[in-house]
Amino acid sequence: AQSVTQLGSHVSVSEGALVLLRCNYSSSVPPYLFWYVQYPNQGLQLLLKYTTGATLVKGINGFEAEFKKSETSFHLTKPSAHMSDAAEYFCVVSPFSGGYNKLIFGAGTRLAVHP
Amino acid sequence: DVKVTQSSRYLVKRTGEKVFLECVQDMDHENMFWYRQDPGLGLRLIYFSYDVKMKEKGDIPEGYSVSREKKERFSLILESASTNQTSMYLCASRGGRAYNEQFFGPGTRLTVL
Repeated sequence: AQSVTQLGSHVSVSEGALVLLRCNYSSSVPPYLFWYVQYPNQGLQLLLKYTTGATLVKGINGFEAEFKKSETSFHLTKPSAHMSDAAEYFCVVSPFSGGYNKLIFGAGTRLAVHP
Repeated sequence: DVKVTQSSRYLVKRTGEKVFLECVQDMDHENMFWYRQDPGLGLRLIYFSYDVKMKEKGDIPEGYSVSREKKERFSLILESASTNQTSMYLCASRGGRAYNEQFFGPGTRLTVL
């Protein structure tokens, strides 16, 4: 069965510091990959996605992620954290074939940004 | 802007009550989903629907049922609410293919006493 692992349920950074949220997936076939963000008391919002093509994907709010097939990873980065980035982030896999209507969610990483 | 709306943000019910959670989307999407979100578990799929009157079980359908009589509306029903169904419930919709994003509603925080 496919799975998604997010390393670190809580990450804390200083304002202006690099943000790195780690995600690894298990799949024999590269799936579609997404990062979603959930701000307090809101639903989830798409940050970025990888389907095919360029492995470095840019998203909203200055975030980007790189798909590395050899490492089965899809880590999320932002060069300089802002206070408004404090939220919960979910790495999500959509199987390439079979069960295509099902997303597989990581457990989430809560990002705290301090002054 | 795509809008997915949910009928209530907060709901408090008693054990044994029948509970209806409503979700409406305005983008003519074929696919609609119900998830529950619990700390440390991420989101888990309860049911999804790929067309009117069509539904399929997700990973945790026990204790829930759904209804989709119109394309824009997808309802989640708790036939007899129990305390272990206290959770955040999120509705989502998606058009077309699996590589398209899902659009989420704001969530309903349900407490069963």
